[in-house]
Amino acid sequence: AQTVTQSQPEMSVQEAETVTLSCTYDTSESDYYLFWYKQPPSRQMILVIRQEAYKQQNATENRFSVNFQKAAKSFSLKISDSQLGDAAMYFCAYRYYGNKLVFGAGTILRVKS
Amino acid sequence: GAVVSQHPSWVICKSGTSVKIECRSLDFQATTMFWYRQFPKQSLMLMATSNEGSKATYEQGVEKDKFLINHASLTLSTLTVTSAHPEDSSFYICSARDYRGEVFFGYTFGSGTRLTVV
Repeated sequence: AQTVTQSQPEMSVQEAETVTLSCTYDTSESDYYLFWYKQPPSRQMILVIRQEAYKQQNATENRFSVNFQKAAKSFSLKISDSQLGDAAMYFCAYRYYGNKLVFGAGTILRVKS
Repeated sequence: GAVVSQHPSWVICKSGTSVKIECRSLDFQATTMFWYRQFPKQSLMLMATSNEGSKATYEQGVEKDKFLINHASLTLSTLTVTSAHPEDSSFYICSARDYRGEVFFGYTFGSGTRLTVV
């Protein structure tokens, strides 16, 4: 069964600094999608970044980038120049056969001013 | 991108009554929608997959008769919590796949419904 593990329940970062959130997953599939979603206090799920497994190039979206290590089944999210608005719960998610998403437990990110 | 509108945002109901939650896809057709449940500070747990014109597929452990899902059109899926009890109090979220042309972008989520059963 596909599983997604986020080993950091909480992380803190100083405003303008960089933080990396970890995610590992387990799968026997060769082609799949990985996502990072952000859930602020409003609880609206917001797509931060996505990665297609067959693409070796790491995805980037402005201040957000990933380090995708397919062989190691690792998918970490790096947030550069952290802002107060980045404070949220971050979920790593894996899309598997049948178009279902499985989520990690989440990491609460706190941004200090 | 694709937008999913979910209503109501919050609802309080008495124990034993039923509550309906609606999710509408705006400006796109969603042949499939996904329903999640989330407890405070926890992850999203998939409850069921809603398919237009056919029966929903429920995840293991989810009571089909408790959580009725209907997907009668390409833009509307509903979740009805029947004979609600306090333990059904939770945050419910719907989701649909976001395609832009032939490109799969991810999943777009409704804003969620906070259900409180008293």
